[in-house]
Amino acid sequence: EVQLVESGGGLVQPGGSLRLSCAASGFTFRNYWMHWVRQAPGKGLVWVSRINTDGSYTGNADSVKGRFTISRDNAKNTLYLQMNSLTAEDTAVYYCASFGVDWLQSWWGQGTLVTVSS
Amino acid sequence: DVVMTQSPLSLPVTLGQPASISCRSSQSLVFSDGNTYLNWFQQRPGQSPRRLIYRVSNRDSGVPDRFSGSGSGTDFTLKISRVEADDVGIYYCMQGTHWSYTFGQGTKLEIK
Repeated sequence: EVQLVESGGGLVQPGGSLRLSCAASGFTFRNYWMHWVRQAPGKGLVWVSRINTDGSYTGNADSVKGRFTISRDNAKNTLYLQMNSLTAEDTAVYYCASFGVDWLQSWWGQGTLVTVSS
Repeated sequence: DVVMTQSPLSLPVTLGQPASISCRSSQSLVFSDGNTYLNWFQQRPGQSPRRLIYRVSNRDSGVPDRFSGSGSGTDFTLKISRVEADDVGIYYCMQGTHWSYTFGQGTKLEIK
């Protein structure tokens, strides 16, 4: 059974940093692109970041460029999202997700809530 | 970024009746490999998104055949042939052709 389990969310002050993790199991993690998607309270879904299989390519949405860094450790089957210079607009549930090869699968974690507030 | 526009944003439906959601993209979603990476997701209250349809018209495993997707280029549609109580939630179209990927605003389906 495929599982994606996010952790690391919590309350952080504006300007602060947080690192999210996503532990993957049930599939060959190193073979798949991975993604972070977020959802602000009561709002829609927004793509945040993506990373290729070996970590040599990453892409970020304009709203997080220069502040968020996606990375992965294939030996640990774990995806990360380092978030710096956080603002209230970054308050959201953060989901990790994978879509297999060529979008043929769709796997999502349960999400982890990040709240940016003083 | 590609803008995905859904309509309607609110969809009250009587149980057993059909429902239809439209999704339009600001540019063609045909990728250089010839595929169209248009997906439909369902998000039930308090749950993670669940994909229903990929590449316009392919149902994901376990998705009832009441759900169908169609369209091409910039115009796409999700149809539910007979709405059941379990279908309540928010439906999103999403394009995976152009980075950064984008979702529609969401359509809230409720039972009348």
